[in-house]
Amino acid sequence: EPEVTQTPSHQVTQMGQEVILRCVPISNHLYFYWYRQILGQKVEFLVSFYNNEISEKSEIFDDQFSVERPDGSNFTLKIRSTKLEDSAMYFCASTAGGYNEQFFGPGTRLTVL
Amino acid sequence: GIQVEQSPPDLILQEGANSTLRCNFSDSVNNLQWFHQNPWGQLINLFYIPSGTKQNGRLSATTVATERYSLLYISSSQTTDSGVYFCAGELQGAQKLVFGQGTRLTINP
Repeated sequence: EPEVTQTPSHQVTQMGQEVILRCVPISNHLYFYWYRQILGQKVEFLVSFYNNEISEKSEIFDDQFSVERPDGSNFTLKIRSTKLEDSAMYFCASTAGGYNEQFFGPGTRLTVL
Repeated sequence: GIQVEQSPPDLILQEGANSTLRCNFSDSVNNLQWFHQNPWGQLINLFYIPSGTKQNGRLSATTVATERYSLLYISSSQTTDSGVYFCAGELQGAQKLVFGQGTRLTINP
């Protein structure tokens, strides 16, 4: 069964460093998303991406964040200068079409020291 | 934006018991999903259920879209059912799921 994959599973970084989180969505899906979950809290939407551009972003998704689909399979989230408060689980999701079921990857746990 | 409220926040049961988890949403949704977050933090898709009723083994879900709520039923609970259950809704015109705060279910042996 097709699934969304994410790498790495856990990343530890120093405050101020750049990190890139990688995702491979399900191959025939067209809509891609990043969500995050701070420990003990609910899952929050960050950004949606369709047709090679951002379609919606939250207030959390400021200038420190960027997304890219560098080739036909990968979808990346870059945080330019990490802060302590960026420590969270980051989930990638994809779907075949609007309002269809979103499928989530296993997550990347980011720890900023 | 849409508000998603889940109840109860915590539920502790004995193995074999049945449970009902509720999700209320403040506006009409075109997508409603239930997830189970396992101890490793992974979100496991349980149901995609914008309306109607679905069943998968011991789990079933019902969404009454006109009344803006969804219910998740777990029958004959097992210890492996423990974890946090999230519902999430997607408004028409929005390109995102909005999650509730979750229900933490603990099944004791």
